[in-house]
Amino acid sequence: QVQLVEFGGGVVQPGRSLRLSCAASAFTFSNYAMHWVRQTPGERLEWVALISYDGSNVFYTTSVEGRFTVSRDNSKNSLYLHMSSLRVEDTAIYYCAREGRGTRLRSFDLWGRGTFVTVSS
Amino acid sequence: DIQVTQSPSTLSASVGDRLTITCRASQSINNWLAWYQQKAGQAPKLLIYRASSLESGVPSRFSGSGSGTEFTLTISSLQPDDYATYYCQLYNVYWTFGQGTKVEIK
Repeated sequence: QVQLVEFGGGVVQPGRSLRLSCAASAFTFSNYAMHWVRQTPGERLEWVALISYDGSNVFYTTSVEGRFTVSRDNSKNSLYLHMSSLRVEDTAIYYCAREGRGTRLRSFDLWGRGTFVTVSS
Repeated sequence: DIQVTQSPSTLSASVGDRLTITCRASQSINNWLAWYQQKAGQAPKLLIYRASSLESGVPSRFSGSGSGTEFTLTISSLQPDDYATYYCQLYNVYWTFGQGTKVEIK
């Protein structure tokens, strides 16, 4: 069925790196812009990054710019988030999310189940 | 940066009640406003997009309204399945979420 599944979360020390993956299935992945959204332990939702449908444009929230890199491989229906110089405040559930098209533009119409990232010494 | 204020943070309600949740933006967002429902242990689920359009498969007791800087999500008659946390999300250059409203049993 139409779904997104995230992989790669875990416990990592501050300053280290981690790479998250998101596998898409049962829809034309290359037609959609994709995002990473995270949810903090306090349950606040925070948009993290956007990559356009073809990977030509990327945007980041200020707090991760220069540390996180979003990428995609449309031949593998996969989305990635490389996180470096991790901080305690990056601890969160990380969701990949599909941006809707047409009238659903700027909203997230499909979410994965999330992967936990804990940054702790 | 645009600021968003969602209220209330908690709502105690009974089955059958009519509920209204409000989301205010610090500047006009041209109706780029969505509402999500999140249940414990699950990802958010899109309910409303473009301020007032009902997502496919979402019950008609959910409705969205508003324009400019003030928006509301209304549940016309609360059902047991509706106890959850609700978030607004707006777009203005970037994406911003409200703080969430937890709907709990009265």
